Amino acid sequence: GAGVSQSPSNKVTEKGKDVELRCDPISGHTALYWYRQSLGQGLEFLIYFQGNSAPDKSGLPSDRFSAERTGGSVSTLTIQRTQQEDSAVYLCASSLDRSSDYGYTFGSGTRLTVV
Amino acid sequence: GQQLNQSPQSMFIQEGEDVSMNCTSSSIFNTWLWYKQDPGEGPVLLIALYKAGELTSNGRLTAQFGITRKDSFLNISASIPSDVGIYFCAGPHNNAGNMLTFGGGTRLMVKP
Repeated sequence: GAGVSQSPSNKVTEKGKDVELRCDPISGHTALYWYRQSLGQGLEFLIYFQGNSAPDKSGLPSDRFSAERTGGSVSTLTIQRTQQEDSAVYLCASSLDRSSDYGYTFGSGTRLTVV
Repeated sequence: GQQLNQSPQSMFIQEGEDVSMNCTSSSIFNTWLWYKQDPGEGPVLLIALYKAGELTSNGRLTAQFGITRKDSFLNISASIPSDVGIYFCAGPHNNAGNMLTFGGGTRLMVKP
């Protein structure tokens, strides 16, 4: 597509439920990134994919968080047993490859609210 | 780990005023980037700086890569209402690959 598409744009879930957030990167972009933005905060790195593999999972805050990417395209970020502190905007970005000039294209994010 | 500290955290200015914000780090960065995030959107790259001392302009925006490689500033001249948003500095995570570390952001509000 023309840009990075994220869905849903908003999600309200009850504490303890699982949620799945989807990111559809720009066609041909091999690198994909997930960041979390808590209210009034900067962007916290979560995970990075190069193709289908995730060489860096260091940012995932707990084992309740996981992500996968299939076919070198769409990625899903899953949060199990959601907690209120998981409430944030989850941003996905994609770029051409490791040698790109940091020209990330971000999606508009998924605003997650855990009640 | 690497941290980028931005100041001020927020600014409320009158339309037409010039704005200056900066970003500092305790460690050296080889690249500095400035992004802007409009409300409800993802950040968009404004300016990229690749060399210490580099001064780069993009319209009313000017950014400089500090000589020490530990700081950068962004200036906006003659601000307009659409400059409202959050401005982030960013640099390569551990100066490797193209994963980015972001600062906490400067929230700019412009009064018409």
